[in-house]
Amino acid sequence: GAVVSQHPSWVICKSGTSVKIECRSLDFQATTMFWYRQFPKQSLMLMATSNEGSKATYEQGVEKDKFLINHASLTLSTLTVTSAHPEDSSFYICSARDLGSAGFGEQFFGPGTRLTVL
Amino acid sequence: GQNIDQPTEMTATEGAIVQINCTYQTSGFNGLFWYQQHAGEAPTFLSYNVLDGLEEKGRFSSFLSRSKGYSYLLLKELQMKDSASYLCAGKDSNYQLIWGAGTKLIIKP
Repeated sequence: GAVVSQHPSWVICKSGTSVKIECRSLDFQATTMFWYRQFPKQSLMLMATSNEGSKATYEQGVEKDKFLINHASLTLSTLTVTSAHPEDSSFYICSARDLGSAGFGEQFFGPGTRLTVL
Repeated sequence: GQNIDQPTEMTATEGAIVQINCTYQTSGFNGLFWYQQHAGEAPTFLSYNVLDGLEEKGRFSSFLSRSKGYSYLLLKELQMKDSASYLCAGKDSNYQLIWGAGTKLIIKP
């Protein structure tokens, strides 16, 4: 099956610093990647849809200047949390959609990145 | 508006059968997904239904009724490792996934 990697798997940073999270599709090309955030015991919250070569589409309430998304190639999207604060501490998960396969466009998820801001 | 409803939590016994229901309201409909998510991990794909009926895949089966806006995930021969959250997600006319809050399934020996 399609594999999506995410790096780092966990990160602890000081308040005010920026953190970059990478999402890679390892064995397929993903024109579209998605970034989610999940707080403890809550469901996935879609933050933005990332399309290769174009600007990301952000969900309502998500600050695009705070959560910078870059989808520079068909296999890599990055999320940068700028000037992180403790309330940004969460589980960030990316997913990629493989439209090139015979599947039905299901999303394959990366393992997630647990961000803790002190 | 768009909405996915599923129970918050269910408890079942090892070796038994459990059915997790999901009702959906989406702007257009292009299929329904079920994902499994263990605590602290990312979701993994379980099943996809776009036509009415039952899709069987080993111990797991998923059912869809488009006229009723209803789906269920059926888990047979429950094992302790099946303890997880099960997420229902509908795909709308823009091919975006609308996620339910998830059903936490607790398996007891």
